[in-house]
Amino acid sequence: ETGVTQTPRHLVMGMTNKKSLKCEQHLGHNAMYWYKQSAKKPLELMFVYSLEERVENNSVPSRFSPECPNSSHLFLHLHTLQPEDSALYLCASSQGLAGSGETQYFGPGTRLLVL
Amino acid sequence: QKEVEQNSGPLSVPEGAIASLNCTYSDRGSQSFFWYRQYSGKSPELIMFIYSNGDKEDGRFTAQLNKASQYVSLLIRDSQPSDSATYLCAVRGSGNTPLVFGKGTRLSVIA
Repeated sequence: ETGVTQTPRHLVMGMTNKKSLKCEQHLGHNAMYWYKQSAKKPLELMFVYSLEERVENNSVPSRFSPECPNSSHLFLHLHTLQPEDSALYLCASSQGLAGSGETQYFGPGTRLLVL
Repeated sequence: QKEVEQNSGPLSVPEGAIASLNCTYSDRGSQSFFWYRQYSGKSPELIMFIYSNGDKEDGRFTAQLNKASQYVSLLIRDSQPSDSATYLCAVRGSGNTPLVFGKGTRLSVIA
């Protein structure tokens, strides 16, 4: 257990569905991240939030919409996804964005399949 | 475009041997370097981080950093079958930038 939880762990959705992924961290961290991990590709950073403000949007299509209501919770809202969006979606948190001693802690991920 | 390169492997070593995993990066101003281990179907877990040139040892793991040559390596001594996993190298550039990950190297330790 890393102190970062994600729900659901598995999700199957059609291309017309709307769903949300949830991440919660119990570490008192100030920064949270969404990553996408596809087969045979490096981890792709999607969004970064610091103190509930979005500081990074890594050219992610608008069918992915993040929300950070407070420093402990992060959501990823999904709508009209494509089959190529099927991947493992990982949430991570860290105390700060940069500086010595700062490391990221990952949640278990949500395995998403888009049909 | 900041890049982190790793040999995808698989790297096969016999049990008890030293496994050597290498990583190169393109951003010369990079400050922090991390090694993650990821078992199949699991999320990454942090093994080590290093900020200064030289070696950093933690148990069976040693991270080596050479900023002049822009490479960082991870040595695993007395490799065990349980070390079989994909090892991800991650690099943080200068300033307030998030980590950039390599594709990972798959390590297989043969009993």
